Amino acid sequence: GQNIDQPTEMTATEGAIVQINCTYQTSGFNGLFWYQQHAGEAPTFLSYNVLDGLEEKGRFSSFLSRSKGYSYLLLKELQMKDSASYLCAGLDSNYQLIWGAGTKLIIKP
Amino acid sequence: IAGITQAPTSQILAAGRRMTLRCTQDMRHNAMYWYRQDLGLGLRLIHYSNTAGTTGKGEVPDGYSVSRANTDDFPLTLASAVPSQTSVYFCASSVTGETTEAFFGQGTRLTVV
Repeated sequence: GQNIDQPTEMTATEGAIVQINCTYQTSGFNGLFWYQQHAGEAPTFLSYNVLDGLEEKGRFSSFLSRSKGYSYLLLKELQMKDSASYLCAGLDSNYQLIWGAGTKLIIKP
Repeated sequence: IAGITQAPTSQILAAGRRMTLRCTQDMRHNAMYWYRQDLGLGLRLIHYSNTAGTTGKGEVPDGYSVSRANTDDFPLTLASAVPSQTSVYFCASSVTGETTEAFFGQGTRLTVV
């Protein structure tokens, strides 16, 4: 079966760095997405990786290892507004998105 | 303001009633999607449309139907609502398909009693 695994909840301190891991098992692979979702709001796009390696976008970076079925989202210089759920989603061979349940990130002052 | 709009934002519905959730986008995106989001589960695709005039079934299509008469609108209909359809429903669109960024509406919180 197809599956996306990510931790349910993480806690980090304002100003620190946090890494949110995601492992995926999909039928074929056409890339991996990260979305941010604040409570009660819509998901918003953060990143898309299809090749191995690290992609950096300001304070956020996303990493992919296709051989390991593994990705992570790295958030630097954490701010209170980064408190949100982070959704990992893998794109299978039929171009269907398989979503993880999301990781709720709690930022403490 | 360009974007994707859903209506209503919330609704309480009696079981057995028919309900249509509306979704409109003004970005001229070809692809549109309906998801449901339940606590502890990932977003699950209900139906999708890759272009106007075509629709397809997602992971959890039973009890739902869609139509795509034009590029902008993608309504989701619950023919006869049941309590298990209580959920938050998100409509989304993307330029050409799943490898591109999806833009989500603000969601419709539906409670079936």
